[in-house]
Amino acid sequence: EVQLVQSGAEVKKPGESLKISCKGSGYSFTNYWIGWVRQMPGKGLEWMGIIYPGDSDTRYSPSFQGQVTISADKSISTAYLQWSSLKASDTAMYYCARHSGSSSGTDYWGQGTLVTVSS
Amino acid sequence: DIQMTQSPSTLSASVGDRVTITCRASQSISGWLAWYQQKPGKAPKLLIYDASSLESGVPSRFSGSGSGTEFTLTISSLQPDDFATYYCQLYNSYPTWTFGQGTKVEIK
Repeated sequence: EVQLVQSGAEVKKPGESLKISCKGSGYSFTNYWIGWVRQMPGKGLEWMGIIYPGDSDTRYSPSFQGQVTISADKSISTAYLQWSSLKASDTAMYYCARHSGSSSGTDYWGQGTLVTVSS
Repeated sequence: DIQMTQSPSTLSASVGDRVTITCRASQSISGWLAWYQQKPGKAPKLLIYDASSLESGVPSRFSGSGSGTEFTLTISSLQPDDFATYYCQLYNSYPTWTFGQGTKVEIK
């Protein structure tokens, strides 16, 4: 069974760093892209970026380039999303999702990680 | 960048109604179009990919159509479980993604 399991909710202060994770299982982790999506409270879905764990090829949405870093460790089938200095406006639910890179699209999603940034 | 605009933003409908949601691209797309359903507190669920292909396990009352700049998601007979928010997504082989702003389907 394909699963993407994300790390738990985080409460952080502005200026702190954070790395959240997304662990894949039940499929060949290196053969699919992993994308990250932000959903701010009460708002829609925003694509942040995507990584191919096989070779760590990474793409960023222009809106998030320089604001976050996406990485992956294929030895443990885990992708990461990290911030070096959080802002209150980073408060949101973050989802990872598996993507084939072809027409079959984005078929499996993690359960989401809620990040709250507050002083 | 291509913008994806969904309409309507909110739709009020009754059980049994035929419902159509539209997603328009700001220019003819190079890539594919998917539709997702999201319920409160849950991750999005893939319904349709490649504009008209039904994801495995999704009820046949959901269908997708369109090409170029205009795409539609149709629910042939709305069921109580279908009240949710629906998003279109443009994706390509690079890959990059672009989501529409969402359509909330409410009970009339």
